[in-house]
Amino acid sequence: SQQGEEDPQALSIQEGENATMNCSYKTSINNLQWYRQNSGRGLVHLILIRSNEREKHSGRLRVTLDTSKKSSSLLITASRAADTASYFCATGWTSGGSYIPTFGRGTSLIVHP
Amino acid sequence: EPEVTQTPSHQVTQMGQEVILRCVPISNHLYFYWYRQILGQKVEFLVSFYNNEISEKSEIFDDQFSVERPDGSNFTLKIRSTKLEDSAMYFCASSEDAGGEQYFGPGTRLTVT
Repeated sequence: SQQGEEDPQALSIQEGENATMNCSYKTSINNLQWYRQNSGRGLVHLILIRSNEREKHSGRLRVTLDTSKKSSSLLITASRAADTASYFCATGWTSGGSYIPTFGRGTSLIVHP
Repeated sequence: EPEVTQTPSHQVTQMGQEVILRCVPISNHLYFYWYRQILGQKVEFLVSFYNNEISEKSEIFDDQFSVERPDGSNFTLKIRSTKLEDSAMYFCASSEDAGGEQYFGPGTRLTVT
């Protein structure tokens, strides 16, 4: 299975602090994506990182990928109460027109104002 | 900003009934997906659709499920004879390319009684 699993399952921090979430997977991938989900809503794409990339930034988000350890991390700097959500990694292998993403169980982040 | 839309937002049906969930993907996207998320659990891939045919499907996507793109804009998921365990949020997503950033709809909450 290419299953991505996030760690920790839950994270509670104060506004202004940084939040780090990790994702581990089992088999080869050619990309890894991070998504956010607010309670009962659809997923919002945050960042896609390809297997030949090691780090990517988007605003307050920083994603790293270590293919030798089959792991990725998502860092949210200077967190805000609005960052409260569940965060998921999705791993997958693209072959031609095929792609099956596998989502982990997610990290539930609570940012206290 | 373009977005994926889904209707209805909530569907209640009796066991054994057929339901059709509807999605309008982003207009220039070529890849379409259905996922489900049972309450409190991870997002699970059901099926991907490209070039008017299924490109990948999971074990969950058995003979009770079917997908269709009846016209140039809609993408539907049909469940022929619903079971209690089909109760979940169903998300549609679309992307420009296989393995690329996916845009998710807000979901349809299906309740089977």
